[in-house]
Order: sequence, then C-alpha cells, then structure tokens
Amino acid sequence: EIVLTQSPGTLSLSPGDGATLSCRASQSGSSKFLAWYQQKPGQAPRLLIYGASGRATGIPDRFSGSGSGTDFTLTISRLEPEDFAVYYCQQYGSSPWTFGQGTKVEIK
Amino acid sequence: EVQLVQSGGDVKKPGESLRISCKGSGYSFTSYWISWVRQTPGKGLEWIGRINPRDSYIEYSPSFQGHVTISDDKSISTAYLQWNSLQASDTAMYFCAAVPQGGAAWFWGQGTLVTVSS
Repeated sequence: EIVLTQSPGTLSLSPGDGATLSCRASQSGSSKFLAWYQQKPGQAPRLLIYGASGRATGIPDRFSGSGSGTDFTLTISRLEPEDFAVYYCQQYGSSPWTFGQGTKVEIK
Repeated sequence: EVQLVQSGGDVKKPGESLRISCKGSGYSFTSYWISWVRQTPGKGLEWIGRINPRDSYIEYSPSFQGHVTISDDKSISTAYLQWNSLQASDTAMYFCAAVPQGGAAWFWGQGTLVTVSS
C-alpha cells in the first residue's frame, strides 16, 4: 500500500500568515488521485482539494494544491481564524486508500 | 443538498455484535460509492472499505477484511458497517463518505462513536 508522510506535524502560525503543508508518497502514482481534507475538533473531514490541485465546491481560493509524482503541497495563502485545524492528505488511486498522519495548524 | 446521516454512538462489550448505518439523502443513492473510514487517536484515519450501491460490489482494505461486513439497502438509501464480534481495539469514530466513482470523498456523515469495553 502507498504510505503518505506529512510534514511538519505541527505548524504554529498567526492569522494572516501563509502556510505550506507537505505530503510525500512512498510510491509514485497518478497525481490525479491526491486529495486534501480539513478536520476541526468534533467534525468530519471536509474535502478541500482533489486531483492534487482542484478546489472542491465552496472552498476559498486562499487554499491551493500542487505537486506531482511523490511530492504534494497544500498552500494556504493567508490564514483566517477558521483555518486553524488539522489537515490530511489522502491518495485514492490505489487500493487501499491511505491517509497521511495529519498536520495540525495551530495559533501561535 | 447531499446529506449522510449516521446512526448514534454505542457502547458494547467485547464479543458482542453491532451494525451501524449511514443514510443518504438529497441525491440518487446509486450515484455514489459509500466508503467507511475509521479514526482513532493512535492510528489516525484508516479506510475500511467501500460499496457500490449500483451493484453492491464491495471492496475491503486487507487490514479489515474478515473482521467487518459492509452492506446496503438501496430501498432505504442506507449503507451499513457490521461486526459479529467486537474487540476493544474497535473503539473508534467511524465515518461514512459518499464518493463519485474513482473520486475523492466529497460528502461525509457526522460520525458514529463506537466504544467497546468490558
């Protein structure tokens, strides 16, 4: 199975800062099948990015995804208070689906 | 509006059986696969498996094969995740998600907390 490794584990930032989150896959697969999710305490994950760079419906344009091969990035251009959460990458091109361990974006 | 509503949390003893549900509304139930995902503090998010309501084709993660059963009832737009013999290690939050074929998990249920304790 494809192992996804996210870094860093925690990002301590202030509102208005930019954030760069990384996701590295153990095998190269199609970048068409890489997603990013946001999860807040007590809530289900919410799809942000699919196909490595496509924004899901209703997702603000301050969220962007990039990358290919084994290296992918989620960028949040200017953090809003509601963006402080845990972010997960996921590959859905190879069975079984797998998720990264998550990056927590916390208020500094 | 696509909605997935999951059954309520439950507390069970080791060895007991349990079935949790995920009811879809606001869309044609056969249009999206339903995936099940487990979340624990120690292991994070883990994919359990999925069912295609169109033909009831089921696929399991090797990590869960033989321990859980996924099924559906199209007549009531509901998918199920079932255990015949729960273990303490099954204690977790379980989510269902609606997935376009070959796609990411666009829509999620609110989660069902399963606690297994003697």
